[in-house]
Amino acid sequence: ETGVTQTPRHLVMGMTNKKSLKCEQHLGHNAMYWYKQSAKKPLELMFVYSLEERVENNSVPSRFSPECPNSSHLFLHLHTLQPEDSALYLCASSQEWREVGTDTQYFGPGTRLTVL
Amino acid sequence: AQSVTQPDIHITVSEGASLELRCNYSYGATPYLFWYVQSPGQGLQLLLKYFSGDTLVQGIKGFEAEFKRSQSSFNLRKPSVHWSDAAEYFCAVGARYKLTFGKGTLLTVNP
Repeated sequence: ETGVTQTPRHLVMGMTNKKSLKCEQHLGHNAMYWYKQSAKKPLELMFVYSLEERVENNSVPSRFSPECPNSSHLFLHLHTLQPEDSALYLCASSQEWREVGTDTQYFGPGTRLTVL
Repeated sequence: AQSVTQPDIHITVSEGASLELRCNYSYGATPYLFWYVQSPGQGLQLLLKYFSGDTLVQGIKGFEAEFKRSQSSFNLRKPSVHWSDAAEYFCAVGARYKLTFGKGTLLTVNP
């Protein structure tokens, strides 16, 4: 595997379910990101991790819980979601996190989440 | 706070025709500017980026973009479009660690 991979690619869940999204980067990067891509809205940054430490939580509701056990893996734990949380969730990584101008973000293919 | 506007939601061009996708940004300082492309079922791929210096930036797949400070624009161009260029294109402005994206322009290429 190369680049940034995400599993599952598609997920359907009920509002009372608990599920997790997984992201893995094979680029040796130190920073990882979760983004939300909703229909007709710009990509929204949700979380930023640097060397397993969360450095940004962009006012995301607590029903989304990120976890970064090491610099190669990032999870997004989901519980009691709402239908409006249905979206494409994208993971990205970069060498470092402090300067987007020099540290290009590489994106995974995303997980298409549908909340019923 | 920075913002990005992509005025065209959907553009259709014929294969072989030239292409220009518009992007306007709002940012108080000298911006970092990016164009990403997203093909169906794929993540975002960086086409090109501008930091400083030459205002005409060359990217991958034959794309280029021109930074015009006076117009707060960073338009993406390609002289001859290929069918494989059909995708959604996102302009973004960067500040520190944060990328702020536009809503995207969907490109359809007719044979």
